Formats: sequence, structure tokens, C-alpha cells
Amino acid sequence: DAGITQSPRHKVTETGTPVTLRCHQTENHRYMYWYRQDPGHGLRLIHYSYGVKDTDKGEVSDGYSVSRSKTEDFLLTLESATSSQTSVYFCAISGFSGRALDTQYFGPGTRLTVL
Amino acid sequence: QKEVEQNSGPLSVPEGAIASLNCTYSDRGSQSFFWYRQYSGKSPELIMSIYSNGDKEDGRFTAQLNKASQYVSLLIRDSQPSDSATYLCAVNEGSSYKLIFGSGTRLLVRP
Repeated sequence: DAGITQSPRHKVTETGTPVTLRCHQTENHRYMYWYRQDPGHGLRLIHYSYGVKDTDKGEVSDGYSVSRSKTEDFLLTLESATSSQTSVYFCAISGFSGRALDTQYFGPGTRLTVL
Repeated sequence: QKEVEQNSGPLSVPEGAIASLNCTYSDRGSQSFFWYRQYSGKSPELIMSIYSNGDKEDGRFTAQLNKASQYVSLLIRDSQPSDSATYLCAVNEGSSYKLIFGSGTRLLVRP
């Protein structure tokens, strides 16, 4: 258990509403990532962070924003949710002292449905 | 577009057999290679990492890497029904810590 939690675990929302997903870690990992997983597409990187207030875009960043104001929390915001953003969202972490910096550990996931 | 390719399966093997899962990647600059296991409705779980050409063994699992041919494989010996899951191959992008994932191979182990 890499000490990662995600909240909420399940959410149903309506098109056009903003949604924020939270990833919380307890082990002081430097790097944090947000992925979405869809059938046939595998895991795709949305945004990642390499430190507090340091973030960058991934492969599928359109329609998403992130913030990291402290080491332990990485927030993913869907500015105006669309049905195409219905997916399972995973947070991952890496960069803990004593472990390989590139080895990622995943949170339990958030299942988001946009109606 | 850097890619990681896996056969989606399902790969069906009898209990006790060796399951062989394969993965090819396009980025010649990749240096880190990972296998994750994902049970239905659960999050990916790291099985093994490999960085050098050759074989790396951990219990019933062996990862094989061939950088010249750009493929990674995972062998599962003495397959058990509990090994039935989707196996994800992941490769780092260039010199970064970002990973590119394949879409996974579904493994079914028949009792």
C-alpha cells in the first residue's frame, strides 16, 4: 500500500458542471500523476506534477486543469464536464526516497459518470 | 506518437501452464520498463520493473527485455486461476519519468 487515497470514489454529475477530484498521498512522493482509463485506450496521462506548484500537461489534457498547493494533494478539475469525460480516473505517485524515481504506484481510482 | 503495443487477448491457458505476454514499444530512448497487473474494477498493481537487457526473475514471474528489438515480455510460470487479470506493459517516455501504457492483455487461466 503506497498510501494513496482518492476522493470521491464514485461520482455522477451533469454535463456542464465543474467537478474536482482529489488525490492525497501520505509518503512525501515528489511526482504525482492523473490518468484516465477507457476501454480500448488503456491508461492515458492527463496531467502530472513534479513538485508543489509545478505541473505539466499530458497526452489528453484538454478540458482538465490541475493544482498542487502542497506535497500531499493533487487536484484534478473538469472545468465543464462533458459526456466524453465519463471514465475511471487514477492518481499515481512516484519519487519516494529509497524507491526508483520512475516507479509509479496507483490509487484506488474514481469512477466518474457525466450525464 | 510514441506507442506501446500489446495483444488485447484474451490469452487463455490451463492451470499450471506458462503464460507468455508480449509488448513492443516505439521509443528507442526508453530506459525503464514495467509490468502491472489489473484485476477487473481495481487499480493497476506493479508486478515487476526491468531496466537491462536479459531476464529478471521474481518468484513465478520473469520479465525479459530486448532493447534492440524493442520488446518486453512477461512469463508467468505455474499459472493459477488467481492470475486471471489484465496485464499492462508500461515504458518510460524518453528520459522522463512519464510512462506510456499499452492497452493491456487479458489473461484467463482455466482451472
